[in-house]
Amino acid sequence: AQSVTQLGSHVSVSEGALVLLRCNYSSSVPPYLFWYVQYPNQGLQLLLKYTSAATLVKGINGFEAEFKKSETSFHLTKPSAHMSDAAEYFCAVTGGATNKLIFGTGTLLAVQP
Amino acid sequence: KAGVTQTPRYLIKTRGQQVTLSCSPISGHRSVSWYQQTPGQGLQFLFEYFSETQRNKGNFPGRFSGRQFSNSRSEMNVSTLELGDSALYLCASSYRDPSYEQYFGPGTRLTVT
Repeated sequence: AQSVTQLGSHVSVSEGALVLLRCNYSSSVPPYLFWYVQYPNQGLQLLLKYTSAATLVKGINGFEAEFKKSETSFHLTKPSAHMSDAAEYFCAVTGGATNKLIFGTGTLLAVQP
Repeated sequence: KAGVTQTPRYLIKTRGQQVTLSCSPISGHRSVSWYQQTPGQGLQFLFEYFSETQRNKGNFPGRFSGRQFSNSRSEMNVSTLELGDSALYLCASSYRDPSYEQYFGPGTRLTVT
């Protein structure tokens, strides 16, 4: 069985500050991990994915995430927040051969000027 | 390359009716997955189709069904609509397995009155 926990349903940062969105996972098989972003009234856009090639994964828009097996974590970071980063972020896990994604409950990121 | 397209984008139906939603995947993608997004339940997996076969299914009642055609386009059908079926329905496409990215469409917003 697989599951994802996102700590903090709402995170607020100042423009230019570090963004840290937390994700912990549980998986009985080697996981594939993803971060998606959703802007209002839109679908999900893939930020980055972990597929065991490298533990530090770089994505689009300056985001990156580090896979830590010992902590079962896959936290998303960005060194300097921009106003355009305000959106909802979802961590997701899957494993095995199918594309069934198990999503976390999402974190709504607000960026203050 | 064109992205995932979903039609219609918005739909209003009455309780008890049925509805069919359509998803056209990215060219070359053979896997299509469907998700339901609601404020209360978040993002939940409905089912995945690969090469016209249902490969995985979520925990939804039998009123929810889907199919995939030989050109990989997919439809999902909801019969006997209930108020709780009001949601954003998202479709995602991928080449094959989780080592490949899943790309999401913009979704169909279904409102049941």
